Amino acid sequence: EPEVTQTPSHQVTQMGQEVILRCVPISNHLYFYWYRQILGQKVEFLVSFYNNEISEKSEIFDDQFSVERPDGSNFTLKIRSTKLEDSAMYFCASRGSSGEGDTQYFGPGTRLTVL
Amino acid sequence: AQSVTQLGSHVSVSEGALVLLRCNYSSSVPPYLFWYVQYPNQGLQLLLKYTSAATLVKGINGFEAEFKKSETSFHLTKPSAHMSDAAEYFCAVSSLSGNTPLVFGKGTRLSVIA
Repeated sequence: EPEVTQTPSHQVTQMGQEVILRCVPISNHLYFYWYRQILGQKVEFLVSFYNNEISEKSEIFDDQFSVERPDGSNFTLKIRSTKLEDSAMYFCASRGSSGEGDTQYFGPGTRLTVL
Repeated sequence: AQSVTQLGSHVSVSEGALVLLRCNYSSSVPPYLFWYVQYPNQGLQLLLKYTSAATLVKGINGFEAEFKKSETSFHLTKPSAHMSDAAEYFCAVSSLSGNTPLVFGKGTRLSVIA
């Protein structure tokens, strides 16, 4: 069964450093998302991406964040200068065309720890 | 704007007992509703979804949920709990159209006691 994959599973970084979180969505999916979950809190939407551009973003997704689909398979989230409060689990999700309804399929997540 | 409220951050049931996890939503447009499960150290797995067809939705692992528009609810149930059901459960809402993100509730941790 196709699945969303994410690398790395755990990333530890120093405050102020740049990190890139990588995702490989399900092939033939068209819509891509990043969510995050701070420990003990609910899952929050960050950004959605369609047709090679951001379609929607939340207040959390400020200038420190960027997303990119550098090739036909990867979808990345970059945090330019990490802060302590960026420590969270980051989930990538993808969704197919309207034929699949509105189901988003999630990856296993990357746990980001900022020291 | 859409929102989800999950009553009870932690629910504990005995093995074999009924599982009832509550979810109420707020949406100004017809909603899609979802239940996701998160096992320890894993990602989010779709349990079931409501997309304006049948109001009683059956999902994986014996779970089901009923959409009640008049009560703006989408409670998750399972007749008989198994130890393997212990996990975090998230209710989520999105709108019927467009590339809309999911709005999640705070989650309910289900514990199953032997």
